[in-house]
Amino acid sequence: SAVISQKPSRDICQRGTSLTIQCQVDSQVTMMFWYRQQPGQSLTLIATANQGSEATYESGFVIDKFPISRPNLTFSTLTVSNMSPEDSSIYLCSAIQGEQYFGPGTRLTVT
Amino acid sequence: AQSVAQPEDQVNVAEGNPLTVKCTYSVSGNPYLFWYVQYPNRGLQFLLKYITGDNLVKGSYGFEAEFNKSQTSFHLKKPSALVSDSALYFCAVRDRNTGFQKLVFGTGTRLLVSP
Repeated sequence: SAVISQKPSRDICQRGTSLTIQCQVDSQVTMMFWYRQQPGQSLTLIATANQGSEATYESGFVIDKFPISRPNLTFSTLTVSNMSPEDSSIYLCSAIQGEQYFGPGTRLTVT
Repeated sequence: AQSVAQPEDQVNVAEGNPLTVKCTYSVSGNPYLFWYVQYPNRGLQFLLKYITGDNLVKGSYGFEAEFNKSQTSFHLKKPSALVSDSALYFCAVRDRNTGFQKLVFGTGTRLLVSP
């Protein structure tokens, strides 16, 4: 199984600022993903983080708002840019190693 | 497009009683089906999956799920609930014919097991 860690675990940010979330997997994985879980709602896929190329974004999510990096097979970052209160969510990193595993999430509050 | 429905926001059950958490799905092809559990302030944990074969799938912590193709359902079950089973449960589906690893989740069902 893959063990996934995320930093920070939570943050409170002011509107208009940006936050970068880091995701580290304890082994090399081909596919990494970023999900958003808004309060009281289900998980929504933001994008697939591709190693060595641009991320693949789902409908409704754009690179300017959620830039993603994937410099190697164990690490990825998600930046939430120009934040507004509507961005307040839990952001989860995920990776596939046999099964699909999830990190503990980053709880973001935008004031 | 694939989708998942979890018709119950919350399920209440007494400890020791059997529990069922319902899930129905819609995919254009054949499904891969999953159950995940989320404890407070923790990430999702994989419980079990259906890929092919036996319709009754056994997973972690004594949970099992039954795949029913005709009813497009994949209900999660446990013969005897524990208070520690109280958590948020998500059903998810992946369309095996798309060749893409995208998981689509249901809205989640909160399970509350009372002592």
